[in-house]
Amino acid sequence: DVKVTQSSRYLVKRTGEKVFLECVQDMDHENMFWYRQDPGLGLRLIYFSYDVKMKEKGDIPEGYSVSREKKERFSLILESASTNQTSMYLCAGSSRGDTQYFGPGTRLTVL
Amino acid sequence: EDQVTQSPEALRLQEGESSSLNCSYTVSGLRGLFWYRQDPGKGPEFLFTLYSAGEEKEKERLKATLTKKESFLHITAPKPEDSATYLCAVQGSSSASKIIFGSGTRLSIRP
Repeated sequence: DVKVTQSSRYLVKRTGEKVFLECVQDMDHENMFWYRQDPGLGLRLIYFSYDVKMKEKGDIPEGYSVSREKKERFSLILESASTNQTSMYLCAGSSRGDTQYFGPGTRLTVL
Repeated sequence: EDQVTQSPEALRLQEGESSSLNCSYTVSGLRGLFWYRQDPGKGPEFLFTLYSAGEEKEKERLKATLTKKESFLHITAPKPEDSATYLCAVQGSSSASKIIFGSGTRLSIRP
């Protein structure tokens, strides 16, 4: 059974804090993705990675960075959290050209 | 530009009342079309991948079909536990690993 886990289900942070969201997959997938999901805007791609230490910008990378030091782990970093980054964050993994499998999501609130 | 449109935005059915959800897409060379189910506050759960026109896949009360321009998710004799948001996504041949999501159909089944 495929599995993608995210470090927290709910997170509350203050404006200006540095925030780390962790994602781990046990499917040996090459590709990993970070999305945010907001009402009325759907799923929007922030960053993705197709290999260790490789990263590509998605549609909305501003204010975010990522790190992939190991194949199974993909981290999303908010360097200085702002209130407009309050959202549901979803991580996914896939093999090349195949279905993406999602984690349970992290609901981040920035006060 | 790759595009995905889902309709209707919301659908309310009586238990046992069969219906279909639509996903229209524009993509340069379809690599795959994906259906997901998403419950409130959770990550999308993978349902089906379709690769070519004429393909059909079934799972319990759900059946997905694909033509060159659209996909349908048919729900036969739905139960209240089928209530969820259903997301459609496509991957084009020119988009590397990225997939484009539709905004979803919120399905509500009344007992």
